Amino acid sequence: QSALTQPASVSGSPGQSIAISCTGTSSDVGAYNYVSWYQQYPGKAPKLIIYEVSNRPSGVSNRFSGSKSGSTASLTISGLQAADEADYYCISYTHRTTTTWVFGGGTKLAVL
Amino acid sequence: EVQLVESGGGFVQPGGSLRLSCAASGFTFSEYWMHWVRQAPGKGLVWVARIRSDGSMTNYVDSVTGRFTISRDNAENTLHLQMNSLRAEDTAVYYCVRQGVAADFDYWGQGTLVTVSS
Repeated sequence: QSALTQPASVSGSPGQSIAISCTGTSSDVGAYNYVSWYQQYPGKAPKLIIYEVSNRPSGVSNRFSGSKSGSTASLTISGLQAADEADYYCISYTHRTTTTWVFGGGTKLAVL
Repeated sequence: EVQLVESGGGFVQPGGSLRLSCAASGFTFSEYWMHWVRQAPGKGLVWVARIRSDGSMTNYVDSVTGRFTISRDNAENTLHLQMNSLRAEDTAVYYCVRQGVAADFDYWGQGTLVTVSS
């Protein structure tokens, strides 16, 4: 059981927008703006796509955006493309335990 | 270009040991915190351990505390993970990860597979 809760799967059609939620607690997502999102293709390493809740690294499409409300962070992908089909993970800093970092269980995005 | 290249994975029996290494290049290794993150087959990502840029502080997930040791050699730009008393549940791809300045994980290695089985 992961510390951050993400939906197991979401789906959308090309051109549509989807949102993936990441729910934590007042000890992690709700306490810090250190929430980041990662995209992972099968057999590949994860790639950072959002950091500090809503910032995009250089080279990441502006179709990816992030936000946070209370203890829930969200990743929105607009103008869905077939290439967006992947697993997405959220990660947050936490002061809950010595673990320091908590991960979401991952969300599989299907582009239908 | 930042590169992180893991090595040392393989097949080991329960109770055995392995030492993973991660060769870093393309950045000033001694200025960054580094982490190990693992992913069991078909499962999600799990944070394993971290080490301060100068090696003076380490933290571990509870399930590996006392069995795994993270270390680094800043002169050789190398990160290590010594894994002892391995269990079947340690079977996973282990990623070497750089912590960015924004408290994120900005660069990942390609991963090395560790399989613990009798």
